Amino acid sequence: GAVVSQHPSWVICKSGTSVKIECRSLDFQATTMFWYRQFPKQSLMLMATSNEGSKATYEQGVEKDKFLINHASLTLSTLTVTSAHPEDSSFYICSASSGGGNEQFFGPGTRLTVL
Amino acid sequence: GIQVEQSPPDLILQEGANSTLRCNFSDSVNNLQWFHQNPWGQLINLFYIPSGTKQNGRLSATTVATERYSLLYISSSQTTDSGVYFCAHAQGGSEKLVFGKGTKLTVNP
Repeated sequence: GAVVSQHPSWVICKSGTSVKIECRSLDFQATTMFWYRQFPKQSLMLMATSNEGSKATYEQGVEKDKFLINHASLTLSTLTVTSAHPEDSSFYICSASSGGGNEQFFGPGTRLTVL
Repeated sequence: GIQVEQSPPDLILQEGANSTLRCNFSDSVNNLQWFHQNPWGQLINLFYIPSGTKQNGRLSATTVATERYSLLYISSSQTTDSGVYFCAHAQGGSEKLVFGKGTKLTVNP
């Protein structure tokens, strides 16, 4: 299957700082990338969908000014959590697909802890 | 909106047993995927199966799109099969995956 990487795998930051998470598709061109959030013992919730070269589409209830998404190339999308607070602590997972309802492949996730 | 229901929520097996996990969804299907989330959080793709039947080793899956359900079969279970199994579904015309709440599988030696 296709390989998707995420960096960093974990990060601890102070309240009020910003954190950037990278998602890369290593062996295919990802027309569409998705960002999910997963709280402990819960399922994955879609935060936003991004298409290369376009603005991201955010799900209801997700603040676009807090969670900045950039999909600058067919292999890279970034999620920046701005002015992070303890309630933003979560497991963030990206996925990538070649579009058209094709199979999504997931990164290994980034565990964010905000102190 | 789309609803995805998985059953059972928890399942405990002895090594070597077989099991069936079920996923019901509420709308027409564009994409149906099964995943295994390992203890480190990595989602491992098991099947991309909007319809029909597929097999991969001890695992197989069947989706009956007209009746809006999918089944994941695990045969001769091993302790390494433990973890949470998710199904996720995207309705026709959309790429957005909606995840079920998962089935937590524990396989005891």
